[in-house]
Amino acid sequence: DTGVSQDPRHKITKRGQNVTFRCDPISEHNRLYWYRQTLGQGPEFLTYFQNEAQLEKSRLLSDRFSAERPKGSFSTLEIQRTEQGDSAMYLCASSESTDTQYFGPGTRLTVL
Amino acid sequence: GENVEQHPSTLSVQEGDSAVIKCTYSDSASNYFPWYKQELGKGPQLIIDIRSNVGEKKDQRIAVTLNKTAKHFSLHITETQPEDSAVYFCAAGGDYKLSFGAGTTVTVRA
Repeated sequence: DTGVSQDPRHKITKRGQNVTFRCDPISEHNRLYWYRQTLGQGPEFLTYFQNEAQLEKSRLLSDRFSAERPKGSFSTLEIQRTEQGDSAMYLCASSESTDTQYFGPGTRLTVL
Repeated sequence: GENVEQHPSTLSVQEGDSAVIKCTYSDSASNYFPWYKQELGKGPQLIIDIRSNVGEKKDQRIAVTLNKTAKHFSLHITETQPEDSAVYFCAAGGDYKLSFGAGTTVTVRA
């Protein structure tokens, strides 16, 4: 499978714990995006990388959230001191220099 | 920022009939309009997209129309089949950021 992959697919954590998610984009896609999707809503943009550079962050991305793409390939999204409101599906997408974004299966986070 | 509204929120159609979903957007700078299909427990899958220099695009049973003056675009699915049952999202964007509608749950009745 040469699509976008995400790990883990599901994560259950207790409030206050830190979690980290990984995204592997389609090979040679230089753009990588993170979105958050809550139940019954469309995905909301969080942040975007062009190669290893993080070019924009949404105001949804509070100080507790950090994303990296150290070598311009895979990316990680870390949430520190999780809160119940962080429970959502976290989606990763990738694209070439064009607009078309291809999404991964997502990581479903549940904060107890 | 961009605001995308999508209607209806739910749509039930008889197998073989057509389904139409409509979206409006607010930012005249948006020039890219993709549609995604999302099945339960999966990520959104791109089904068709259109750019602002085109008014209509068709791919087999799926077509999308765009009216830039009125800032609205629509998805048309003809000859619906049970496997078309899913949540459909429209989106609008430019260079990189997509803003999504809230989704339409389509149910195709056999």
